[in-house]
Amino acid sequence: QKEVEQNSGPLSVPEGAIASLNCTYSDRGSQSFFWYRQYSGKSPELIMSIYSNGDKEDGRFTAQLNKASQYVSLLIRDSQPSDSATYLCAAEPSGTYKYIFGTGTRLKVLA
Amino acid sequence: GAVVSQHPSWVICKSGTSVKIECRSLDFQATTMFWYRQFPKQSLMLMATSNEGSKATYEQGVEKDKFLINHASLTLSTLTVTSAHPEDSSFYICSAPPSIESANEQYFGPGTRLTVT
Repeated sequence: QKEVEQNSGPLSVPEGAIASLNCTYSDRGSQSFFWYRQYSGKSPELIMSIYSNGDKEDGRFTAQLNKASQYVSLLIRDSQPSDSATYLCAAEPSGTYKYIFGTGTRLKVLA
Repeated sequence: GAVVSQHPSWVICKSGTSVKIECRSLDFQATTMFWYRQFPKQSLMLMATSNEGSKATYEQGVEKDKFLINHASLTLSTLTVTSAHPEDSSFYICSAPPSIESANEQYFGPGTRLTVT
């Protein structure tokens, strides 16, 4: 059973702080990883994709991938109340184009 | 980014009736679309892969005779929930990759909330 694990939270951080979200996956064949943000009652919105070991930065967001440890993380710098949402981690087993989603981590940014 | 639309955004139907949900790619062609279901406070679960010009492929445990998928054109896929029951009440979301070059990046539609009474 291929799985993606996330801590459900909530993770509470003060405004302006760094939020760190973590994800582990079980399928070593997964090559592509994605972070989505989902507001309550809405569909997921793609934030970042990462395919290679290391860090990938896009604005306030940094995704980190460690394939040896089967670990993906998302850092949100200068967190804003508008970042409060559920963050979904997804892995794509190689070549399938099918995503396996984690259950999501609920982030609360406190003003 | 690529735009995927869904219609309707919400629907209420009586138990035993059928409901059709449309998924459209507005500014790109999608030979493949994906249908997900999300129950409250749970993650997205892939139901099926919709393939233009051929039969859909369903994930284990998803009844293909209950969830009929038709990929009528390169911009439209439909999901019909047949003989709906209250346990089918869920948030149904479609997705599509925006291009061959970005084939493994999925853009999601806004979702359709189905309530079966």
